[in-house]
Amino acid sequence: ELKVEQNPLFLSMQEGKNYTIYCNYSTTSDRLYWYRQDPGKSLESLFVLLSNGAVKQEGRLMASLDTKARLSTLHITAAVHDLSATYFCAVDKRASGSRLTFGEGTQLTVNP
Amino acid sequence: ETGVTQTPRHLVMGMTNKKSLKCEQHLGHNAMYWYKQSAKKPLELMFVYSLEERVENNSVPSRFSPECPNSSHLFLHLHTLQPEDSALYLCASSQGTGTLETQYFGPGTRLLVL
Repeated sequence: ELKVEQNPLFLSMQEGKNYTIYCNYSTTSDRLYWYRQDPGKSLESLFVLLSNGAVKQEGRLMASLDTKARLSTLHITAAVHDLSATYFCAVDKRASGSRLTFGEGTQLTVNP
Repeated sequence: ETGVTQTPRHLVMGMTNKKSLKCEQHLGHNAMYWYKQSAKKPLELMFVYSLEERVENNSVPSRFSPECPNSSHLFLHLHTLQPEDSALYLCASSQGTGTLETQYFGPGTRLLVL
């Protein structure tokens, strides 16, 4: 059974600081996703990582994938309040037709 | 309407009621999904439909009954639910045959079972 673990589950940080969220998964996977969810809102796709060593960046967020270590990271640079949300990683082990297994989510609060 | 829409957004029902959740996608996708999001638990995949056929049922109790009449619409019929079924129910869609099968989520239906 595929398991996906995120840490930390709760993260409170100050504006301007850097931090990393970790996502570990238990079996070989074809691809890994990062989603963002604002309170009361739906999930918004941030990144899709398809291969070992993949790195993607959007604004203050950068995601990377190490398939050998079964680890993905979401790095936050110079955090701003607008980044406050819950961040989920999800792993898809199927070659066709998404079957996502989600982590528990990391609730990020960026304080002024 | 654009993206994935869900109705109703909020629903309160008793354990003996029958209700239905509706999802509609305007993205031309051919796969649709139901997820359950409970407090302090990861999202749980419930059902997957590809080309209007159910391809996965993740051990979901029979009190949840999905229906996919066409590639744009997905329903979740609810009957005799339990209080522990209270959760946010999210619908998603994807282009199942593509190489980048990102799932696009609707806003969810917040369900409370009394």
